[in-house]
Amino acid sequence: EPEVTQTPSHQVTQMGQEVILRCVPISNHLYFYWYRQILGQKVEFLVSFYNNEISEKSEIFDDQFSVERPDGSNFTLKIRSTKLEDSAMYFCASSGGTAYGYTFGSGTRLTVV
Amino acid sequence: AQSVTQLDSQVPVFEEAPVELRCNYSSSVSVYLFWYVQYPNQGLQLLLKYLSGSTLVKGINGFEAEFNKSQTSFHLRKPSVHISDTAEYFCAVSERGYNKLIFGAGTRLAVHP
Repeated sequence: EPEVTQTPSHQVTQMGQEVILRCVPISNHLYFYWYRQILGQKVEFLVSFYNNEISEKSEIFDDQFSVERPDGSNFTLKIRSTKLEDSAMYFCASSGGTAYGYTFGSGTRLTVV
Repeated sequence: AQSVTQLDSQVPVFEEAPVELRCNYSSSVSVYLFWYVQYPNQGLQLLLKYLSGSTLVKGINGFEAEFNKSQTSFHLRKPSVHISDTAEYFCAVSERGYNKLIFGAGTRLAVHP
C-alpha cells in the first residue's frame, strides 16, 4: 500500500535555528498538508497545499513557517527561527481529494532546546 | 465553523468487553467523517471513514462506526477489545468542498487484562 514518508523521524535543534522537515507524499495525490501535535494534545491543522500554492493555513502558520514543493516528489515545511513552543510531532499528509481520505506519514518529532 | 468533540478523554475497559468511543461534530454543511488510531510513539493510522451511503461503516481491526446525521454523531464501537487495542483514538471531520481535517482532542483507550 502506498505510504507517505517523512524524514527525519526525530530532530533536535537549538532555539533560533532553522529546520526543514521533509515529506514524500503519495505520488498521484494532489493535496498536501502539514499538521502538528504538541505532546499530549490534539492534532492541529497547519497548512494545505494544492497546485503549487497554499490553499489554506491556520493561525498557527505564521511568518516563521513556509512550505515548498521543490520538485515533483518532495514537500517540505521550513521553520525559520525555532522557538521552544515549536517542539511537537509534525505530520505530513496527502490526499487525492477530500472524498478519498487522507494518508498520514509517521511524523517527525521536533525537539527545540 | 466545524468542530469535533470527543466526550471521553479516557476509557478504561477490560479485555474482551465491548467499547464505544463517542464523537460529536458541528458543521453547517455536509461532512466526511474519520476515525484514526495512534499507537504509542507512532503516526496516525486510518481506522475507517464515512463518505456517503450506508451509515454503518466497518473498518480495520474489527472496529465499526455509525453516522447519525440527526444527532451529529459518529461513535466508534468494537464488540470485544484486545490488549493490543490500547491506543489513542481520534475522530476527525472534513467539510465537503474543503480540504482540511479537524480533529477531536482524542480518547485514550486502555484495555486491561
